[in-house]
Amino acid sequence: GENVGLHLPTLSVQEGDNSIINCAYSNSASDYFIWYKQESGKGPQFIIDIRSNMDKRQGQRVTVLLNKTVKHLSLQIAATQPGDSAVYFCAVFSGGYNKLIFGAGTRLAVHP
Amino acid sequence: ETGVTQTPRHLVMGMTNKKSLKCEQHLGHNAMYWYKQSAKKPLELMFVYSLEERVENNSVPSRFSPECPNSSHLFLHLHTLQPEDSALYLCASSQDRPAGGHEQYFGPGTRLTVT
Repeated sequence: GENVGLHLPTLSVQEGDNSIINCAYSNSASDYFIWYKQESGKGPQFIIDIRSNMDKRQGQRVTVLLNKTVKHLSLQIAATQPGDSAVYFCAVFSGGYNKLIFGAGTRLAVHP
Repeated sequence: ETGVTQTPRHLVMGMTNKKSLKCEQHLGHNAMYWYKQSAKKPLELMFVYSLEERVENNSVPSRFSPECPNSSHLFLHLHTLQPEDSALYLCASSQDRPAGGHEQYFGPGTRLTVT
């Protein structure tokens, strides 16, 4: 099956610093990856996605890096703000399972 | 807002009650999903509907019964639940069933407490 994990359950950063949240997956056939943000009392919100034919994709203040060799995915947030405080999930799509598999989440705490 | 709404937002029910959760998407999507989110656990996929047809049932107990009357609405009927069923129930939709991979848009969830 597909195992999707996160390296740290909690990440604390200072406001203005860059944040890096990591995710590992097990199925080398995985071909689509999404990062979600979930704030307290809300459902997961799409942040950015990447397909396996790319190794980097940038959005507004966010960058996703994909290393297919070691089956690792990361989300980088530049100049982290208090509003970035949330739980971040990676989700991995494997065609063989035809569904998204979610990681357990990393809680990002931003301190002033 | 994501274009996916869920009602009620909070629900407390006894183990002998019958209740229903409702989800509506305003995005013109063809696939809808129910997920269960328990504390410190990954999202668990429960059901998938594509064009109103159930295409996946992830070994969910029969006390959870989904219904998809049209592509915009999804229900989860609850009957004789157990305290361990207390969780956040999330509805999501996507343009198509995730063959090829499509992002899913989530509603705010229903916080269910079974007493």
